[in-house]
Amino acid sequence: SSELTQPPSVSVSPGQTARITCSGDTMPKQYAYWFQQKPGQAPVLVIYKDTQRPSGIPERFSGSSSGTTVTLTISGVQAEDEADYYCQSTDTTVTYVIFGGGTKLTVL
Amino acid sequence: EVQLVQSGAEVKKPGTTVKISCKVSGYTFSDHFMHWVRQAPGKGLEWMGLIDPEDGETVYAEKFQGGVTITADTSADTTYMELSSLRSDDTAVYYCATGSPVASTAYWGQGTLVTVSS
Repeated sequence: SSELTQPPSVSVSPGQTARITCSGDTMPKQYAYWFQQKPGQAPVLVIYKDTQRPSGIPERFSGSSSGTTVTLTISGVQAEDEADYYCQSTDTTVTYVIFGGGTKLTVL
Repeated sequence: EVQLVQSGAEVKKPGTTVKISCKVSGYTFSDHFMHWVRQAPGKGLEWMGLIDPEDGETVYAEKFQGGVTITADTSADTTYMELSSLRSDDTAVYYCATGSPVASTAYWGQGTLVTVSS
């Protein structure tokens, strides 16, 4: 079955750039989506179709894709960005939705 | 404004069944698939399956085939997720999520905590 691999944790200081990667064999063929989840809250979509930002999401959030890896970049990280981040895609048959294991972003 | 409102928390005994509802508003119910995703305490997101409200067709993750039933009532703009033969490791927050033109899981319900304990 298809899998998406994320680093368990990323730490940055306020104002720095955070990069969270998500790797999987399906990435070159299927779009990736990124979600932010804060404690006790439902996930919120922050990036769709690899690089697009929904309305209402700050410009410091961006996405990129290269080969089997997609990356969520948060430029000028703020304390409020501390959260868990999940990538999502579909398997190669476009039948099943798959999530990465999640990355905890800590703002030092 | 798209809204997904889920039913309240449940406490169940092992071996029993739980059924959670998710009522939507703010869009045409049949326009987008409805997904169910769960999150065990301190763990990541786990996709369970989806339903096409237009025709009732379902797709379940392999892990949940035979144990989960997702249904939709178009007259009530509501979808249901029923999980049977509950075990302690089914203790989790269960979310419904639906799509938009840009993403299949753009909007999420508030989550329903299901606690399985004897």
